[in-house]
Amino acid sequence: EDQVTQSPEALRLQEGESSSLNCSYTVSGLRGLFWYRQDPGKGPEFLFTLYSAGEEKEKERLKATLTKKESFLHITAPKPEDSATYLCAVRFPMNRDDKIIFGKGTRLHILP
Amino acid sequence: EPEVTQTPSHQVTQMGQEVILRCVPISNHLYFYWYRQILGQKVEFLVSFYNNEISEKSEIFDDQFSVERPDGSNFTLKIRSTKLEDSAMYFCASRRYSGANVLTFGAGSRLTVL
Repeated sequence: EDQVTQSPEALRLQEGESSSLNCSYTVSGLRGLFWYRQDPGKGPEFLFTLYSAGEEKEKERLKATLTKKESFLHITAPKPEDSATYLCAVRFPMNRDDKIIFGKGTRLHILP
Repeated sequence: EPEVTQTPSHQVTQMGQEVILRCVPISNHLYFYWYRQILGQKVEFLVSFYNNEISEKSEIFDDQFSVERPDGSNFTLKIRSTKLEDSAMYFCASRRYSGANVLTFGAGSRLTVL
């Protein structure tokens, strides 16, 4: 069965302490891996799309990378406002439409 | 920036009542989705909708659920007879066309079933 697994479930960092979040997936025919940010009580907010192994995308303090079986979201020198749940989602080809499946997310808390 | 709009933001209902959650997707988007998130759990796919019909649906989307695009702008999710376990945040999402991968999500509708 196709799955998306994120680790760790939760992460507490000091402001400025860099780290990485992991998303591993088992899928045939991946058609895109997505990173979203979700703040409490809000909808997911799009960050990045990655399509092929070796691809990298950057936005401010965030960088997403992709290999054949996993993706990393690297956070460099994070600030308290980076605190959120980071969701990984994978697009599976399904009949006429592609279904996007989410992992459980990593709750990131940056301490000032 | 265009956004997906959902109403109501919060609805409280009694078990067994019908609920309709409404969404206005981004105007030039063609593919529409409902997801739900039970408190503390992951975002789960419910249904996708294109060209006025359901494209895919999950095991969660049983006969109690239905979707409709009654006019050119609204996209609704109806739950016929709510259960306690239907309490969740329901997110509407849309994307522009077949080759466009990114889903844009609304802020969600919180449903509380008592």
